[in-house]
Amino acid sequence: GAGVSQSPSNKVTEKGKDVELRCDPISGHTALYWYRQRLGQGLEFLIYFQGNSAPDKSGLPSDRFSAERTGESVSTLTIQRTQQEDSAVYLCASSLVPQSSYEQYFGPGTRLTVT
Amino acid sequence: GNSVTQMEGPVTLSEEAFLTINCTYTATGYPSLFWYVQYPGEGLQLLLKATKADDKGSNKGFEATYRKETTSFHLEKGSVQVSDSAVYFCALTPSGGYQKVTFGIGTKLQVIP
Repeated sequence: GAGVSQSPSNKVTEKGKDVELRCDPISGHTALYWYRQRLGQGLEFLIYFQGNSAPDKSGLPSDRFSAERTGESVSTLTIQRTQQEDSAVYLCASSLVPQSSYEQYFGPGTRLTVT
Repeated sequence: GNSVTQMEGPVTLSEEAFLTINCTYTATGYPSLFWYVQYPGEGLQLLLKATKADDKGSNKGFEATYRKETTSFHLEKGSVQVSDSAVYFCALTPSGGYQKVTFGIGTKLQVIP
């Protein structure tokens, strides 16, 4: 079946502009995660959604970052007034249920470059 | 808090060499442990996992054993191939329902013919 998809695959934007990144999780997966991967660094957790529960936003680096998810489907990550330090690959992942033993399935990522 | 420490790369090996990538963790209770792999130009994918002490995860010739006594989950492969060149991430999820996955920094492996 289809995996996690993300769009766009690449985004170049000017400093100060807003960007919106999209994630389509695997159908039926209740949990959805956003991560950031800066060049040469590991994955940095940003936000987690589970069904209709309040999201875990503890990883968002600033109030310029926000995310929404409609039910158990598409999620969008919005970065307002982008800064050069926001340049990274943004990864989305989903899992069937948010249990510790369940693996996460990752999308290909969106490479964001802020000039 | 929870943490994962893995050896920094890059690791360069000749084809058919033995591979070990060390991973140690800090967490309370009995976390689930994972190795994810990111091939060039591709997304992260699960390589193997172990969910309780002494479990051995294995896939594609790679193995890792969950060692509670040493809080380790080292990745091994007896004979690497050029196609194994990738970045490998060790990760954990704490026990007891949802909590954030904690990833290691990633280890880049380059296998040369």
